[in-house]
Amino acid sequence: LAKTTQPISMDSYEGQEVNITCSHNNIATNDYITWYQQFPSQGPRFIIQGYKTKVTNEVASLFIPADRKSSTLSLPRVSLSDTAVYYCLVGDEKEGGKLIFGQGTELSVKP
Amino acid sequence: GAVVSQHPSRVICKSGTSVKIECRSLDFQATTMFWYRQFPKQSLMLMATSNEGSKATYEQGVEKDKFLINHASLTLSTLTVTSAHPEDSSFYICSARGGGWGSYNEQFFGPGTRLTVL
Repeated sequence: LAKTTQPISMDSYEGQEVNITCSHNNIATNDYITWYQQFPSQGPRFIIQGYKTKVTNEVASLFIPADRKSSTLSLPRVSLSDTAVYYCLVGDEKEGGKLIFGQGTELSVKP
Repeated sequence: GAVVSQHPSRVICKSGTSVKIECRSLDFQATTMFWYRQFPKQSLMLMATSNEGSKATYEQGVEKDKFLINHASLTLSTLTVTSAHPEDSSFYICSARGGGWGSYNEQFFGPGTRLTVL
């Protein structure tokens, strides 16, 4: 069973900031939180990973509260090309890095 | 990031034939590779975990005799769908993970292989 819960879908408009929240109430001490993006008929693409607090890279930010039971992926000023499915995953080394995908969030960006 | 390739990208075969899909890590050594299957409008489903030089570990419900996995080198893993049937038609995706990286669970995914069984 997937360890995470996300909204099934979200709509946004070009230029807006999009925040996708993921729940992982049973996250373990050694678990990292990773977000992937997937376009139709392509493999997932790594977006960002974090353990706690805030992580930022050139494409997104990841906010993780102190209890780590949820995380929020923030996409600044989305464009039409950001229309994709976004997956939040948690996992640790004890499982050999195995990742179990949940249902993901289908983001639709409109002009 | 690291590059993972898959070959072929698309394959159409007749029912009853076997199909081999290759997954290669192009610029790093992958100690572990994973195989996923994805049906239309669904999430990725992990099929098996493959460690170089050892037998693959299959997820519950995945038939190991039907989906043969070989990880003979640090850069190549193969998935063979034996005696394929139309219900095996799906999008097969591999991912690769090296050892000694700074972040846990940093996996790089291949572009996927679309299998259609007639």
